[in-house]
Amino acid sequence: EIVLTQSPATLSLSPGERATLSCRASQSISSSLAWYQQKPGQAPRLLIYDASNRATGIPARFSGSGSGTDFTLTISSLEPEDFAVYYCQQRSNWPLTFGGGTKVEIK
Amino acid sequence: DVQLLESGGGLVQPGGSVRLSCAASGFTFSSYAMTWVRQAPGKGLEWVSTITTTGGGTYYADSVKGQFTISRDNSKNTLYLQMNSLRAEDTAVYYCARGTTGAAGTFETWGQGTLVTVSS
Repeated sequence: EIVLTQSPATLSLSPGERATLSCRASQSISSSLAWYQQKPGQAPRLLIYDASNRATGIPARFSGSGSGTDFTLTISSLEPEDFAVYYCQQRSNWPLTFGGGTKVEIK
Repeated sequence: DVQLLESGGGLVQPGGSVRLSCAASGFTFSSYAMTWVRQAPGKGLEWVSTITTTGGGTYYADSVKGQFTISRDNSKNTLYLQMNSLRAEDTAVYYCARGTTGAAGTFETWGQGTLVTVSS
């Protein structure tokens, strides 16, 4: 099973600041990684697929990068609605796995 | 509008069974792989099971293999999850999710979830 490790667990930032979230895979997954955003009481929302492609309707302030084992989600300038939990997920191998999540909270 | 609507959750006794349903609309259901993902209270996301477009291929997390069965009825645009021998650790919100056109394992659309509580 591929283990995804997200860091940090919590990121405390102010609106307008840049957020950098990390996801590390226990073995190479090429570019088969997605990022999701989840707000309290809501279902997750797909942000990025195949490591660097924004999903439909996702603002340009969200970007993804990386390949192999190291991946990054960057939010260039945090908007109030971006404070949420973010999960990475790999589709390279069965079983599919999610990272433990990074909570982006208001400082 | 693409929509997924789960149903069937509720309070179940340990050892009991429940069948979840996910009604799809707004897209050609038979063209997409479908998946169940769960989230225990206050915890992260856990992939549960995926089924291919025709139902000919199914995949399960080790934690539910032999206990849960995923299926679909393309004539009814509905995805199912039969859950047997339920345990307290199966308590979670269960989401159904649609794959993308290019990848069964990327979840483009999600339902709102249905809560299954296993307790006596």
